[in-house]
Amino acid sequence: AQRVTQPEKLLSVFKGAPVELKCNYSYSGSPELFWYVQYSRQRLQLLLRHISRESIKGFTADLNKGETSFHLKKPFAQEEDSAMYYCALQSTGGSYIPTFGRGTSLIVHP
Amino acid sequence: KAGVTQTPRYLIKTRGQQVTLSCSPISGHRSVSWYQQTPGQGLQFLFEYFSETQRNKGNFPGRFSGRQFSNSRSEMNVSTLELGDSALYLCASSGGSGANVLTFGAGSRLTVL
Repeated sequence: AQRVTQPEKLLSVFKGAPVELKCNYSYSGSPELFWYVQYSRQRLQLLLRHISRESIKGFTADLNKGETSFHLKKPFAQEEDSAMYYCALQSTGGSYIPTFGRGTSLIVHP
Repeated sequence: KAGVTQTPRYLIKTRGQQVTLSCSPISGHRSVSWYQQTPGQGLQFLFEYFSETQRNKGNFPGRFSGRQFSNSRSEMNVSTLELGDSALYLCASSGGSGANVLTFGAGSRLTVL
């Protein structure tokens, strides 16, 4: 069975500090990994996906198949990064069923 | 282009009643999926429809059902409501060049009393 684990429910940092939101997954095949973000009073939206290999709002995430991880990183956190972050996995063959982690709430203090 | 639209945004029901939620996907998106979001369980997949057919179903009881119409609009129905069904129900659509990328609606907040 596929599973996504986000070990931290809450991550609190100061502005300018580095941020790393952890995501580990279990899946027997080659998954597609995503980070979705939900800002206060806004809809859940895509932040980035591993196949794009791009930086969005200063965030990057590298898929590490050996460690089955897809951690989200940003070198210098900004107050506007405060939000709920969800890691998600989708299978790439056959079954569509997406699996989400429980989410990590990031709070960036001024 | 218009985003994913969910109606109603808020509703209150009592135990034993049934509820129908509606979702209009982004134009051109043929896949619509539904999720239940609660503080304790996070986001849980309910089911996914593509071209009026249910392609995948999550681990929810048969009280939860859905359908998709020829214009890709989708509805989900919950019968015999229980207190534990209180949640935010999210709909997402996907398709086109970003086939696996989900675009979410604002959700329908259901409270069961």
